[in-house]
Amino acid sequence: DGGITQSPKYLFRKEGQNVTLSCEQNLNHDAMYWYRQDPGQGLRLIYYSQIVNDFQKGDIAEGYSVSREKKESFPLTVTSAQKNPTAFYLCASTRDRQYFNEKLFFGSGTQLSVL
Amino acid sequence: AQSVTQLGSHVSVSEGALVLLRCNYSSSVPPYLFWYVQYPNQGLQLLLKYTSAATLVKGINGFEAEFKKSETSFHLTKPSAHMSDAAEYFCAVSTTGGRDDKIIFGKGTRLHILP
Repeated sequence: DGGITQSPKYLFRKEGQNVTLSCEQNLNHDAMYWYRQDPGQGLRLIYYSQIVNDFQKGDIAEGYSVSREKKESFPLTVTSAQKNPTAFYLCASTRDRQYFNEKLFFGSGTQLSVL
Repeated sequence: AQSVTQLGSHVSVSEGALVLLRCNYSSSVPPYLFWYVQYPNQGLQLLLKYTSAATLVKGINGFEAEFKKSETSFHLTKPSAHMSDAAEYFCAVSTTGGRDDKIIFGKGTRLHILP
């Protein structure tokens, strides 16, 4: 079955450490997104990519980095510059580049916590 | 600028009772409107989407929503609640037409079903 796979499900970060969250999709979707979810805050867009080798900052990109070297993969790195990284991270995709009227397909998320 | 407001961070209804989750939006152009559902520790799933074809939109699991332009509302309803409806629900708004357009999520409403 096609879908989005996020790994790991749980991740712990030590002080000063960079960690990378994986997101892989086999839906052949062009556009991919990373959202951060905090309790009672809804979803906030971190980064998005409409095509391979191109990505744009969302509303809360500071302290995060991404790459899009392959169509099916969009990893997110939480750097040591992100001082409050504890949150639930969701990866999503849409079929094509004109995406804002389309259904978002979501992965099952990664819970990141600070040790 | 677009925005969306969900009234009530928690709503409790008895099993079999009417479910009403409120969403109001702000948009300077005709919007696309969405309701998503999130079960614990999972990603979001699309319940329904308004794209101007019809003001009453039917979705999955017996949910529906009515677009009311005069009230700038897109409330979600279900005639009879089931225990399996317990989840968090997100209203979202988007527009299309520009590189900077994006989807904005509300802060969510957690629905509790009382036996």
